[in-house]
Parts: sequence; C-alpha cells; structure tokens
Amino acid sequence: KAGVTQTPRYLIKTRGQQVTLSCSPISGHRSVSWYQQTPGQGLQFLFEYFSETQRNKGNFPGRFSGRQFSNSRSEMNVSTLELGDSALYLCASSLRGQEAFFGQGTRLTVV
Amino acid sequence: QKEVEQNSGPLSVPEGAIASLNCTYSDRGSQSFFWYRQYSGKSPELIMFIYSNGDKEDGRFTAQLNKASQYVSLLIRDSQPSDSATYLCAVNPPGNTGKLIFGQGTTLQVKP
Repeated sequence: KAGVTQTPRYLIKTRGQQVTLSCSPISGHRSVSWYQQTPGQGLQFLFEYFSETQRNKGNFPGRFSGRQFSNSRSEMNVSTLELGDSALYLCASSLRGQEAFFGQGTRLTVV
Repeated sequence: QKEVEQNSGPLSVPEGAIASLNCTYSDRGSQSFFWYRQYSGKSPELIMFIYSNGDKEDGRFTAQLNKASQYVSLLIRDSQPSDSATYLCAVNPPGNTGKLIFGQGTTLQVKP
C-alpha cells in the first residue's frame, strides 16, 4: 500500500514569490492535514481538509491556503513568501481524521 | 501554559533498559492521544495511539493514559540504539477532528 506522497521534496524560493506544495494521501484516506515544522516552533497545525472541505484551520496568516480535490489529493499554497516561512512542510493523511500518517515532507527554503 | 508539554531531554538510557517518555496536556476534554517517532532529517512516524484510560501494549511499546491527571506516557522496553530518535506526543483537541497539537518532543539516546 503506497504511503503519503509529497512533491516536491525540496524547494528554494525568493522572498515575495509564491509556492504550491502537493500531497497525495494514502488510497482511501479522505482527510489531509498540513503542518509546518521549524526548530523553534516545532510542529504546528496549518489546516485540515476532509472530502474537499476545510474542517479545521490553525493560527497562520491568510497567505497560507489550501484545497483538496475530489480524489483527495491536496495542495497548499503560500503567497508572498517571507524568510520565516522556511520550514519543513508536512502533509498527513487519515481515514477520518484520527490516526494520521505523514509524508516525507517538502523542505522549503526562502532566500 | 503550553497545550502539550514534554521534557525536551535528552533522555539517555543504556541498551536493554526501559525508556519512559512523558507528556502532559492542558485540555481536559481531549480524547485521542498519539505518539510519533521522528528520526533526524525524517518525517514523524506514528507508533502508538490510545483513546481510553489505562495501558495499551504493542510489541516493545506501551502507551499509558491517565485522563484524570492529564498525562500520557510511552514506555519502550528493551531499548535498542535504533530507538534513538525524537518522540513526539500529539493530542487531538475536543471538537477538532483532524487537528493534532504536538509537544516539542523528547530526544531519546540509547547507548550501546
């Protein structure tokens, strides 16, 4: 059974640019959640989608947005990138929102 | 007060010993609790989850939950050097399906 797939694995962007990250959940899983991990703040919840609807949102500015498609794949977008957005972005999938399984993450560096 | 608290460590134990990792949470209404293991440079891996008071065992791992004390722990028996990693405690807050709040993690070092 394939795991959670995130693309790309690494990204380097310039301040002010925007970026889109992609996540394909485990087959059959309808919940996809996104997290930001930094050395200082640890793992922080961004948002969660279930059946194409955002069910939960964390305390991040509106520059961070996401969506989920009918096949449960999800994308996360960050606009007007800031240096502080440099982090590991992790996607997790679960059947209904309980036990969550993480992908390998996308390492974003903003220069 | 942080919502989920863990001692950052490092916790150092000799090979073969029992490692005990602890976590406290602030929201008394929380119902679901998870332990993740994260190796350096890798993503978190789910190793245990527990929903009811008491103990839950899976191989060398035992999760313990005490809702009255708002306390979750993870015991690793017969610790191996390959268990050396950061262990993250995560809590699903009430009424927030799909959202996990993580502690800062405890670094475990198992010395041969």
